[in-house]
Amino acid sequence: QVQLVESGGGVVQPGGSLRLSCAASGFTFSSYVMHWVRQAPGKGLEWVAVISYNGSNKNYADSVKGRFTISRDNSKNTLYVQMDSLREEDTAVYYCARPSGTYSSDPFDYWGQGNMVTVSS
Amino acid sequence: QSALTQPRSVSGSPGQSVTISCTGTSSDVGGYKYVSWYQQHPGKAPKLMIYDVSKRPSGVPDRFSGSKSGNAASLIISGLQAEDEADYYCCSYAGTYNYVFGTGTKVTVL
Repeated sequence: QVQLVESGGGVVQPGGSLRLSCAASGFTFSSYVMHWVRQAPGKGLEWVAVISYNGSNKNYADSVKGRFTISRDNSKNTLYVQMDSLREEDTAVYYCARPSGTYSSDPFDYWGQGNMVTVSS
Repeated sequence: QSALTQPRSVSGSPGQSVTISCTGTSSDVGGYKYVSWYQQHPGKAPKLMIYDVSKRPSGVPDRFSGSKSGNAASLIISGLQAEDEADYYCCSYAGTYNYVFGTGTKVTVL
C-alpha cells in the first residue's frame, strides 16, 4: 500500500534553515509528480511546491518562492524540501502528497502524516 | 495565487443537505475541470472526496457530490451524518504546475 512518511521537522529560529524528507513506498515513486502542502495552526491548507516525476520541472507558491527548494532522489524514493530564511509565518504542519495519477492536474490522493515545523525565537 | 473563497461555516441537521461553495476566477476554477474537494477531521491528514469537479473516488459515499458553474464550484452533502462533521477544502488546478486551495469550511452537524 502507498505510504508517505515525513521527517525532519522541529523548532528553528527565524532566518534559520530546515530540510524535510518524505520517504515513499508502495508505488513507483519515479512515475509521479509530488507535492508539499502545509497548514498553519488553526488555518487552512496551502499548496507549497511541486516537482515533476524526474525533477526537471518545479514550481512554488509565491509565499515561499526564492526561499524553499523542492527536490527528489528517485533512487532513494524520497522527496525533500529545503527551507531557508524561515519566517514565523512558515510555522505549520507540512504534508507531502501524491496525486492519484501521473498527470500534473491529478488531485492529491495520498498524504503523509504531517510534520510540524515551528519557527520561533 | 489568491485562495479560493469558501464560507467559513455551514451547518445542518442529520439527514439534511448542505452545500459548500468555492469561488475562484477564470484562471483557476473557471478555466479548468480539475476541482477537487478534501475532508479533514481534527488532527488528521486531508482525504480526497471529489475530483475533476464531480467524480468520487472509490469508497466515498454517494451522498457527496460536486458541480461547477463558471468560476464557482460546489460540494453537496446529502443525508448529512454525524461523521461528516469536519473541515472541507476545495482545490483547483490553475495551469502548469499551479494549484490553489480554498479558505476552508467547517461543517457542523446539529
